This record gives sequence, structure tokens and C-alpha cells, in this order.
Amino acid sequence: KAGVTQTPRYLIKTRGQQVTLSCSPISGHRSVSWYQQTPGQGLQFLFEYFSETQRNKGNFPGRFSGRQFSNSRSEMNVSTLELGDSALYLCASSLVLAGEEQFFGPGTRLTVL
Amino acid sequence: DAKTTQPPSMDCAEGRAANLPCNHSTISGNEYVYWYRQIHSQGPQYIIHGLKNNETNEMASLIITEDRKSSTLILPHATLRDTAVYYCIVRVLSGSARQLTFGSGTQLTVLP
Repeated sequence: KAGVTQTPRYLIKTRGQQVTLSCSPISGHRSVSWYQQTPGQGLQFLFEYFSETQRNKGNFPGRFSGRQFSNSRSEMNVSTLELGDSALYLCASSLVLAGEEQFFGPGTRLTVL
Repeated sequence: DAKTTQPPSMDCAEGRAANLPCNHSTISGNEYVYWYRQIHSQGPQYIIHGLKNNETNEMASLIITEDRKSSTLILPHATLRDTAVYYCIVRVLSGSARQLTFGSGTQLTVLP
């Protein structure tokens, strides 16, 4: 079956703009988690959604938000972009909340100029 | 989640076994040991996980010491495509901190 898909794969924005990233989990998976990966901080957890509700949240400012739809697809939004938001944003899906196996998508590479 | 310590880099000859160590001396009784790998510019890929017993799947074997303070991931016949950063993670499956907490990982380079 198809894996986790993320769109767009690459994105260039300028400071102050906002951006929305999309993630489609593996069919049947109900949990979606988001991670940010930067060379300096590594992979950091942003939040996890299950049944359209945020269940777990990492230590990121309120500019980072997300939502999940009834079909389990998820979006994350970053408002008032800063240069430091340049990163690879990864989405992972699992069958259940905090599932044993998380399957990652290829990521969206965001560059903020 | 408990902190893990891994060597920053390792080399392995193609066709030989790659043994990647991980120390997790502060692991709690309800924390699992997970291994993921990330090939350059791709999302992390789940490899294997275990609690107490050794585990094996089609990709690798996981050996956990009896005191659970360390573990070793074994790739039995490394290929060039196994070159990646390997992350050892300890994680509970319940409670508030259930997300994966990635450390720096080990850069494994498989040499021809």
C-alpha cells in the first residue's frame, strides 16, 4: 500500500509569511505526528494528532499549529515565518495513538529567506 | 524518556555484519528500545524495537543486555544501501511523553 505522502516537497518563503504543509498518512492509520529536523537541533517532535484531536505537543511556540481531518489527513501551519524555521518537516503515521511503529514520509523542505 | 549514547560514526565492510552499540543506562522498566535509520534526505525508517528479549526481523537483530542498560543493533550482511544515520531511542508507549525523542545517532558508512 502507499506510504506516507507529504506535499509540497520543497517550499521557499520569506520572513513574516505563513505556510501550510500537508500530510496524508498510510491508509487506515489514524495517528499523525509532525517533526522538525534541522542540522543544529536534530529531529524534534512538534505534535501528534489522533481522531482529529491534538494529543501530544512538543516544545514549540504557538506559531506552529496543526489540525487533522476526519480522513486522518493532517496539515501543519507556521505563521510569521522566521529564518530559523528553515528545516525539513517530517510527518509520521501510525495505526493507533503512539503506535509501536511510526512510518515517516519523505518530508517537506522549507527554506525561509 | 531515557537518554541514549551512541558513537557518532562507524565504518563497516560490505557483506560483513554491522554491530551498532547503544547505551541507555537510565532506562526505565516500561521503556522500549527502538531503532530507526535515516538515509540522506529521506524520512526516518523504522527498523526494530524490543523491551527485554532479543528480537529479529527481516532487516536486523536487536540484542538487549540482561540489565537493559545497553543494546546492539546487528545488520547481518551490510550493503552499500545500509549507509545511513542510525538512531537508538528509548520510549514509553503510554503516558504523556510518548513521542520519539531522537538523539544524534550513529553515521554508519558501508565501504565497498
